[in-house]
Amino acid sequence: SQKIEQNSEALNIQEGKTATLTCNYTNYSPAYLQWYRQDPGRGPVFLLLIRENEKEKRKERLKVTFDTTLKQSLFHITASQPADSATYLCALESGRRALTFGSGTRLQVQP
Amino acid sequence: GAGVSQSPRYKVAKRGQDVALRCDPISGHVSLFWYQQALGQGPEFLTYFQNEAQLDKSGLPSDRFFAERPEGSVSTLKIQRTQQEDSAVYLCASSPVMGGNNQPQHFGDGTRLSIL
Repeated sequence: SQKIEQNSEALNIQEGKTATLTCNYTNYSPAYLQWYRQDPGRGPVFLLLIRENEKEKRKERLKVTFDTTLKQSLFHITASQPADSATYLCALESGRRALTFGSGTRLQVQP
Repeated sequence: GAGVSQSPRYKVAKRGQDVALRCDPISGHVSLFWYQQALGQGPEFLTYFQNEAQLDKSGLPSDRFFAERPEGSVSTLKIQRTQQEDSAVYLCASSPVMGGNNQPQHFGDGTRLSIL
């Protein structure tokens, strides 16, 4: 069956460092992959979308890579700030209209 | 407001009661999705509307769950004879285009449902 894996353990880093979050998937061949941010008690907020023919996508301090051979996406936040602390969700198109989400990784940036 | 609005924000019901959750999508958005999110998990798809047509309801966990969008704007998710396992956050999302999985989805802040 289709499966998306994100590190369930929280990632703790120091302010100013680069945070790298991983999304691995199996039994998928997604054409698109999206990353969302979710704060406690709030809905997910869209960050970036990357297509299968794009190796890398950047937006300000954010960078996403998409390796269809490894079946992996990496999400980087450079020069991290305490305000970046949140849960980050990876989502794939799964051959139907809705998204399939991973369970998310909680990022904590220490000042 | 300009975003997706959901009401109520919190709902407590006794087991066996019926509940109705409302979603006001962004005006003009064609696609509307309902998701269920358990604590510590990602959202899980329930159902999808394109305008007033419910094109996919494969994620609804049982026939106690029913969703409608009669005029292609506001949507209601109804849960009949609630059970404790229905306790979760119910998220609504909308998208301006048909399909939606290759476009960003705009989420509301959800309704947190607790069944006692």
